[in-house]
Amino acid sequence: KNEVEQSPQNLTAQEGEFITINCSYSVGISALHWLQQHPGGGIVSLFMLSSGKKKHGRLIATINIQEKHSSLHITASHPRDSAVYICAVRNAPNAGGTSYGKLTFGQGTILTVHP
Amino acid sequence: EAQVTQNPRYLITVTGKKLTVTCSQNMNHEYMSWYRQDPGLGLRQIYYSMNVEVTDKGDVPEGYKVSRKEKRNFPLILESPSPNQTSLYFCASSLSRAGGGYTFGSGTRLTVV
Repeated sequence: KNEVEQSPQNLTAQEGEFITINCSYSVGISALHWLQQHPGGGIVSLFMLSSGKKKHGRLIATINIQEKHSSLHITASHPRDSAVYICAVRNAPNAGGTSYGKLTFGQGTILTVHP
Repeated sequence: EAQVTQNPRYLITVTGKKLTVTCSQNMNHEYMSWYRQDPGLGLRQIYYSMNVEVTDKGDVPEGYKVSRKEKRNFPLILESPSPNQTSLYFCASSLSRAGGGYTFGSGTRLTVV
């Protein structure tokens, strides 16, 4: 079992739909990151979360530390939102040794939004 | 502009010919790391550095070397590249091991023939 699991792996939506991508993790973390990777490869950091909820434009990210779960929501989706969304967790200090501070990545969710 | 600069963007080389991928950040970040991204395997850490002259292995260090002589630079060295090192490589930096957001370089697509 991977330490970071994302679902779904693939997601197709029509423009305007509300989208949710989920991330579950099994390790102790100090922070969770949501990343976006467009075709062509570059990776952009969308959010860093250690508790609660953050919002940026049409994007909302939430985290539940007790349940070890995070969600990324996109409201009023648009074709330009088509990308791979990656959840990554930063290991907590009590992870021990060389794991402390390390980023562990989910497999990514491929999102396609059709006009 | 705060950024991580990675070069080259694309590289095709032959087996055994030493190469270096450069990575430089202008944010005075302490923590820098290298990742490779492969289909079906996602992103995996190769090496990381917590500060100048402090480096350590990640999950897939075999066949790679790194150095951190200056805070801003963290080059990835392939002494004798092999076809299984064909991949998309990313450098990233963060304020410290303990916290801060990550900034990623634009990636290097390496093909070893």
